[in-house]
Amino acid sequence: AQSVSQHNHHVILSEAASLELGCNYSYGGTVNLFWYVQYPGQHLQLLLKYFSGDPLVKGIKGFEAEFIKSKFSFNLRKPSVQWSDTAEYFCAVNFYNQGGKLIFGQGTELSVKP
Amino acid sequence: DSGVTQTPKHLITATGQRVTLRCSPRSGDLSVYWYQQSLDQGLQFLIQYYNGEERAKGNILERFSAQQFPDLHSELNLSSLELGDSALYFCASSMTEGHGYTFGSGTRLTVV
Repeated sequence: AQSVSQHNHHVILSEAASLELGCNYSYGGTVNLFWYVQYPGQHLQLLLKYFSGDPLVKGIKGFEAEFIKSKFSFNLRKPSVQWSDTAEYFCAVNFYNQGGKLIFGQGTELSVKP
Repeated sequence: DSGVTQTPKHLITATGQRVTLRCSPRSGDLSVYWYQQSLDQGLQFLIQYYNGEERAKGNILERFSAQQFPDLHSELNLSSLELGDSALYFCASSMTEGHGYTFGSGTRLTVV
């Protein structure tokens, strides 16, 4: 079955530390990849997406992600986190022939200490 | 405001009851998706409608049903509610498939 896994359940960082959140998916075919963020008490917002082309994609708020096809991975990075980045982060994958359905990872809760 | 409107924001109801959650998609979006978010199951895809027709089905219980109306708003009906149905129910919409979508603020359902 198609699945998406996120390596870390909860990450705690100090401000200015670098961030990398792992995401792997199960399927080797064509995929569209997404990272969403959910701030406390809010809805999910799109951070960035990858469809094709340059495997390094830049999103909002200084986030970027790299697609490594050979590793079925789409890791999220940010060079220097801020307290306001405290949120839950979800990796999501649209698998070929699945219409618009997104399969989400379990989420990673990021806590940034001021 | 994402442009996707969900009502109500909160709902408290008793076991065995039936509720209806409503979603209005972003202007111009033809697809509506329903997701259930709970602590133990994470974000689970329930169902997708495209321009009034059911397009894809996920882990949706038989006690749950949905429809999309000609004006493109959608309703998710949950019946014979159980304590385990307590969750956040998100609606999302998109113009095209596969390119991600915009989420609403969700309806928090509490079954007591």
